[in-house]
Amino acid sequence: EAGVAQSPRYKIIEKRQSVAFWCNPISGHATLYWYQQILGQGPKLLIQFQNNGVVDDSQLPKDRFSAERLKGVDSTLKIQPAKLEDSAVYLCASSPLGETQYFGPGTRLLVL
Amino acid sequence: GDSVTQMEGPVTLSEEAFLTINCTYTATGYPSLFWYVQYPGEGLQLLLKATKADDKGSNKGFEATYRKETTSFHLEKGSVQVSDSAVYFCALGGSNYKLTFGKGTLLTVNP
Repeated sequence: EAGVAQSPRYKIIEKRQSVAFWCNPISGHATLYWYQQILGQGPKLLIQFQNNGVVDDSQLPKDRFSAERLKGVDSTLKIQPAKLEDSAVYLCASSPLGETQYFGPGTRLLVL
Repeated sequence: GDSVTQMEGPVTLSEEAFLTINCTYTATGYPSLFWYVQYPGEGLQLLLKATKADDKGSNKGFEATYRKETTSFHLEKGSVQVSDSAVYFCALGGSNYKLTFGKGTLLTVNP
């Protein structure tokens, strides 16, 4: 079974630029999550989708971050404009209707 | 709100030593508890989980018991190997299966 795929793996941008990350969850998994992991900290949930609907986006900085999950499969997370403090690893995870989440390898973002 | 506090690292052990990484939590209701592991350059992997009080999760020689009375889920392994070197995260599963993670503990095992 293929795992959660993410791209790109690494991205370097300058502040105020925009960036987008892509996630392809495990086939058949209804729930998709985006986490932000700042160096030295645990992952923090940004947004949770159930199929193509948003379940929880309470910690998503909506003035600069946006996410969508069209057709209930792939998802994109966008930052516009980026700030220095957005430097982090962005993790995508998926799960079937249940608790165990399966994580992708992450996208490491550096904002200069 | 939900929170997880785990032992500050880094932890450095010799091969075959006993490992304990402490984890305590604060939550409403009866959450599920997890340990995830992150090997260098890789994504998070589920190591073990427990879904109710007194449950013991186990995998790859690691164990953790869900202690409701002490709100703890400490990770243990009797004899660590060099290949266990990684970052270990304790996590709590709350409403809508949302995971709340601790800050992580870096474990280095020397031969």
